[in-house]
Amino acid sequence: NAGVTQTPKFQVLKTGQSMTLQCAQDMNHEYMSWYRQDPGMGLRLIHYSVGAGITDQGEVPNGYNVSRSTTEDFPLRLLSAAPSQTSVYFCASSRLAGEETQYFGPGTRLLVL
Amino acid sequence: DQQVKQNSPSLSVQEGRISILNCDYTNSMFDYFLWYKKYPAEGPTFLISISSIKDKNEDGRFTVFLNKSAKHLSLHIVPSQPGDSAVYFCAASAINNNDMRFGAGTRLTVKP
Repeated sequence: NAGVTQTPKFQVLKTGQSMTLQCAQDMNHEYMSWYRQDPGMGLRLIHYSVGAGITDQGEVPNGYNVSRSTTEDFPLRLLSAAPSQTSVYFCASSRLAGEETQYFGPGTRLLVL
Repeated sequence: DQQVKQNSPSLSVQEGRISILNCDYTNSMFDYFLWYKKYPAEGPTFLISISSIKDKNEDGRFTVFLNKSAKHLSLHIVPSQPGDSAVYFCAASAINNNDMRFGAGTRLTVKP
């Protein structure tokens, strides 16, 4: 099992550009989520999904879109990047939502100039 | 608002001694608590968890204590090893709630 994979590892964007951060898991997990990690802020939930076709907003959803067309994939889209979105992004998955430990991907470091 | 707080950004201990990492929360609905460990350039990995029906959970060198009345939990590592040097995140969630909240993390350094 590859676990949770994320691409790219690192990306530089200009303000206003769009991009998609990819996330995939091969554990047949129903729950997937996206977090951003900023200094002094810990990990903050952006969006999550409890199954294919179902997504919902987390703590900091503004500026991000998600979709879940398959169980395996959960891409995160930045439609118009802003410097405030400079962060490290982690995708995670778990068998179910709620009282379940999550498995995290290695992260994508994003710099918006 | 930060519902999960780790007030110590860093902690340094000597190898073989005890490391105590602390975490406070404000949301009384939280009933499941976890600790994750993170090495540089890697994603967080699950370390240990505790349900609100317990006040202690032990796994090898790692013990988590929960004090619900004080809304406080702590992670004890005994004995500490240099390989334990990492950032430790406390996290909490409520049953039937998909929103897990994390603390800001504590960087633990274990000196040989």
